[in-house]
Amino acid sequence: QITLKESGPTLVKPTQTLTLTCTVSGLSVTTSGGGVGWIRQPPGKALEWLGHTYWDDDERYSPSLKNRVTITKDTSKNQVVLKMSNMDPVDTATYYCAHANLEVAGSDHFDYWGQGTLVTVSA
Amino acid sequence: QSVLTQPPSVSGAPGQGVSISCTGSSSNLGAGYDVHWYQHFPGRAPRLLISRNTDRPSGVADRFSGSKSGTSASLAITGLQAGDEADYYCQSYDFSLRDHVFGTGTKVTVL
Repeated sequence: QITLKESGPTLVKPTQTLTLTCTVSGLSVTTSGGGVGWIRQPPGKALEWLGHTYWDDDERYSPSLKNRVTITKDTSKNQVVLKMSNMDPVDTATYYCAHANLEVAGSDHFDYWGQGTLVTVSA
Repeated sequence: QSVLTQPPSVSGAPGQGVSISCTGSSSNLGAGYDVHWYQHFPGRAPRLLISRNTDRPSGVADRFSGSKSGTSASLAITGLQAGDEADYYCQSYDFSLRDHVFGTGTKVTVL
């Protein structure tokens, strides 16, 4: 059974850096053709892709957030870490990690998701 | 503002069918990029419903089907059940934005 679980703070202050960890079970983060991505959903709004890391350490980021987001892997723990700098109240959202199916170029999609974690940005 | 537009809501009686549209442009669906569909119950993990336009992952009921033509795609649900009440999102890639994009989302209500 493949599961993903997000962990990290539920409250961060403006200008701080958010660090969230995604722990993956049942699947290696280095399995060829796969990756782990981060997606968020502000309250009442649609899903927004933040970025994902590939099995071979390649990375892709949303151009609108590229300067603020870093996604790294800890293969020893089968975890993927999201760091987002300079947090602002508009970044308040539920943050999801998801396994990315990257087998076919141009057809990236997310086949397993975590339950998400709500992060509030407030002083 | 998402580049993939969906109707905010659709509804149908139990047993009926509904269709959810996903309208894109020449830089995403029209460029040949695949569309994928997700079902999301608030507070729970989103679930992949359809991948690569028409493929149903194992465990997804055949009441759900996808199609794509030109700059648009659709998700059809037949034999509507109370348990289908959820939010549904389409997703693709936009080469102009260099971004993986999600649709605006559609809430399905079973009357």
